[in-house]
Amino acid sequence: EAGVAQSPRYKIIEKRQSVAFWCNPISGHATLYWYQQILGQGPKLLIQFQNNGVVDDSQLPKDRFSAERLKGVDSTLKIQPAKLEDSAVYLCASSSAPDAGWEKLFFGSGTQLSVL
Amino acid sequence: AQKVTQAQTEISVVEKEDVTLDCVYETRDTTYYLFWYKQPPSGELVFLIRRNSFDEQNEISGRYSWNFQKSTSSFNFTITASQVVDSAVYFCALSEPPNDMRFGAGTRLTVKP
Repeated sequence: EAGVAQSPRYKIIEKRQSVAFWCNPISGHATLYWYQQILGQGPKLLIQFQNNGVVDDSQLPKDRFSAERLKGVDSTLKIQPAKLEDSAVYLCASSSAPDAGWEKLFFGSGTQLSVL
Repeated sequence: AQKVTQAQTEISVVEKEDVTLDCVYETRDTTYYLFWYKQPPSGELVFLIRRNSFDEQNEISGRYSWNFQKSTSSFNFTITASQVVDSAVYFCALSEPPNDMRFGAGTRLTVKP
């Protein structure tokens, strides 16, 4: 079974530039999450999708971050314009369950973003 | 609001030593779930175990064991006879239904040969 795929693996940009990350969840997983992991911290949820609908985006900085999950499969996360404090690893995770209550999450290897 | 505290930022042990990773949580809910994930250098978090708030039975899986104590709001993780391959960052997480999962800051474990 293929795991959660993410690309690119690394990205270096200058502040005020835009960047996009891509995620392909495990086949059949209806729920998809984007997490931000700042160095030395645990992952923080940015947005949760169930199929192509948003379940929770309360911690997404909507003035600069956007995400979509067209057709309920792949997802993209965009930052425009990027700030220095956006430097982090962006993790995508998926689950077969409609919520994160009990089901375990399957994570991708993440995209490491450096904003200079 | 829920909170997960992993007070140990870094732990270093020599191979074959036993090591315990501490996790203390705060929640007002009576129904909640606790998890441990491992993050090796490759980056992806790997699920290790989950427990619901009504199941305080401890669990052992090979060299891994988990001690859940509601009285002290703790869910500690012990690795017996540690190995170099156990080197990773370990995260404890608390989930309150329907979909609010919070991770601790993680404990970086280094096992030296």
